[in-house]
Amino acid sequence: SQTIHQWPATLVQPVGSPLSLECTVEGTSNPNLYWYRQAAGRGLQLLFYSVGIGQISSEVPQNLSASRPQDRQFILSSKKLLLSDSGFYLCAWSRRVYGYTFGSGTRLTVV
Amino acid sequence: KNEVEQSPQNLTAQEGEFITINCSYSVGISALHWLQQHPGGGIVSLFMLSSGKKKHGRLIATINIQEKHSSLHITASHPRDSAVYICAVRAYSGAGSYQLTFGKGTKLSVIP
Repeated sequence: SQTIHQWPATLVQPVGSPLSLECTVEGTSNPNLYWYRQAAGRGLQLLFYSVGIGQISSEVPQNLSASRPQDRQFILSSKKLLLSDSGFYLCAWSRRVYGYTFGSGTRLTVV
Repeated sequence: KNEVEQSPQNLTAQEGEFITINCSYSVGISALHWLQQHPGGGIVSLFMLSSGKKKHGRLIATINIQEKHSSLHITASHPRDSAVYICAVRAYSGAGSYQLTFGKGTKLSVIP
């Protein structure tokens, strides 16, 4: 069966510090991978998606970047966090005939 | 760009009540998802449907493609159903990729 792992679950970081959130998928190959953010009181917003290794598409210009160094690994990064980067970050994967499977999320608070 | 509207935004119900949450979207889609988000934040996929109706336990999801509308029903609601229910529509975005557009969610509270 397919599973998705996302960590850490919660993170408190000071403004200006770097960020690295990791997501890995098991039980499937060549999935489409996604990073979403949910800011307080708002719906989920797509940040990045990837259809293959090294292929990253960005939906929203921002202080974040994403990388896919391996087929089933997706990393969300920032060199210097801003207060506005606080929110709930979700990783997800999909394949055409399947639905979406979401990770458990990371609650990031930038202080 | 697809606009996804959910109603109501907040819903409080007594245990045992029949609940309906609505979702409307503006552009043709390949599939619609109903998701459940618990207070901890994790999201569970409840249904993926592209036509007709699906049922799983006390949950029923329907979609009308012509009217661009879907409903999620919960029969005999229970306090453990309390969560945020999110509608998301999937549309082809080119280059072999499908994108989800999310509604803002409906916060359901079921009171014993």
